[in-house]
Amino acid sequence: KAGVTQTPRYLIKTRGQQVTLSCSPISGHRSVSWYQQTPGQGLQFLFEYFSETQRNKGNFPGRFSGRQFSNSRSEMNVSTLELGDSALYLCASRKDRGQSYEQYFGPGTRLTVT
Amino acid sequence: KQEVTQIPAALSVPEGENLVLNCSFTDSAIYNLQWFRQDPGKGLTSLLLIQSSQREQTSGRLNASLDKSSGRSTLYIAASQPGDSATYLCAVLGGSSNTGKLIFGQGTTLQVKP
Repeated sequence: KAGVTQTPRYLIKTRGQQVTLSCSPISGHRSVSWYQQTPGQGLQFLFEYFSETQRNKGNFPGRFSGRQFSNSRSEMNVSTLELGDSALYLCASRKDRGQSYEQYFGPGTRLTVT
Repeated sequence: KQEVTQIPAALSVPEGENLVLNCSFTDSAIYNLQWFRQDPGKGLTSLLLIQSSQREQTSGRLNASLDKSSGRSTLYIAASQPGDSATYLCAVLGGSSNTGKLIFGQGTTLQVKP
């Protein structure tokens, strides 16, 4: 069974540009969450999508947005990039059925903003 | 507001030692708690998940306990090996299953010396 996949794995962008990251959840998983990881702030929740709807949102500016497609794949977009957006972006999926609600993470996308 | 704290921030032990990593959380109304492992620059690997109604979970040399009333969890690693060197993160899921938002601690970076 394939795990969570994220593309691209590495990105270098310039300030002011925008970027789109993609996440494919484990087959059968309907919930996809996104996290930002930086050395200073650790892992912070960005947002969660379930059945193509944003179900939860963290404390990030509106420059950060996302969406989910009917096949549960998700994308996140960051517009007008800032140096502080340099981070490892992780997505996680879970089945949202049953009792455990265990979450599984992808390998991440390393974004560098210059 | 839920806050998760992990102590110590870093730990160095000789191979073969048994060790305990600590995680505390401020709001006992959690749905579950997960322990993850992260290798440098990589994604998160789920190690153990404990439901709020459970006291402990075991997988191989790993044992995680949960005391919800006191807001504490521990991860016990038996007979540590150099391959256990990584950052260990604990994360709690809020009191409802209707969210994928995990709140993470800052992690404990473990080094096991041969």
